[in-house]
Amino acid sequence: AQSVTQLDSQVPVFEEAPVELRCNYSSSVSVYLFWYVQYPNQGLQLLLKYLSGSTLVESINGFEAEFNKSQTSFHLRKPSVHISDTAEYFCAVSVGDKIIFGKGTRLHILP
Amino acid sequence: DTAVSQTPKYLVTQMGNDKSIKCEQNLGHDTMYWYKQDSKKFLKIMFSYNNKELIINETVPNRFSPKSPDKAHLNLHINSLELGDSAVYFCASSQEMGVQETQYFGPGTRLLVL
Repeated sequence: AQSVTQLDSQVPVFEEAPVELRCNYSSSVSVYLFWYVQYPNQGLQLLLKYLSGSTLVESINGFEAEFNKSQTSFHLRKPSVHISDTAEYFCAVSVGDKIIFGKGTRLHILP
Repeated sequence: DTAVSQTPKYLVTQMGNDKSIKCEQNLGHDTMYWYKQDSKKFLKIMFSYNNKELIINETVPNRFSPKSPDKAHLNLHINSLELGDSAVYFCASSQEMGVQETQYFGPGTRLLVL
């Protein structure tokens, strides 16, 4: 069975500080990995995804995530957060014909 | 223009009623989905359709019946609503069927059953 674990339900960070949102998955087969972001009162939007190739993937707004097969992780990082990054972040893994989402991590940006 | 739209945005109703949620996408995608997000933000797939054909049907009570009149629409009808049906329901679409595809989500329909 496949599952996704987001270890932190909430992460408070000061503005302009770095942040890491953790994601671990369990799967016995190859996977595709995603990070989706949900801004307040909106639907989810794709932030970045890993399908194959380079294990480091980047988004257009400064986030990056690294696929680590040995540690079965896909942590999301940003070197300097902005107030506009306040949102819920969902890690997801897709195997077979479905996507399984983690329970989300709420990122609080403190002024 | 909104890529994936849902109506209504909010729905408050009594237990036992029947209600429908509509979803439309103007992206020309072949595949559409319904997800349920519970009060703890846990997001779980309910159904997926590809070219109007049902592909995924998770263990959802048969009170929930999706209908896809055409590729651009996937509606969700719920019979005999129960308190536990209260949640946010998201519609999504992707260009093709395939787990590597990016999914585009609608804004959600917040359903409250009293």
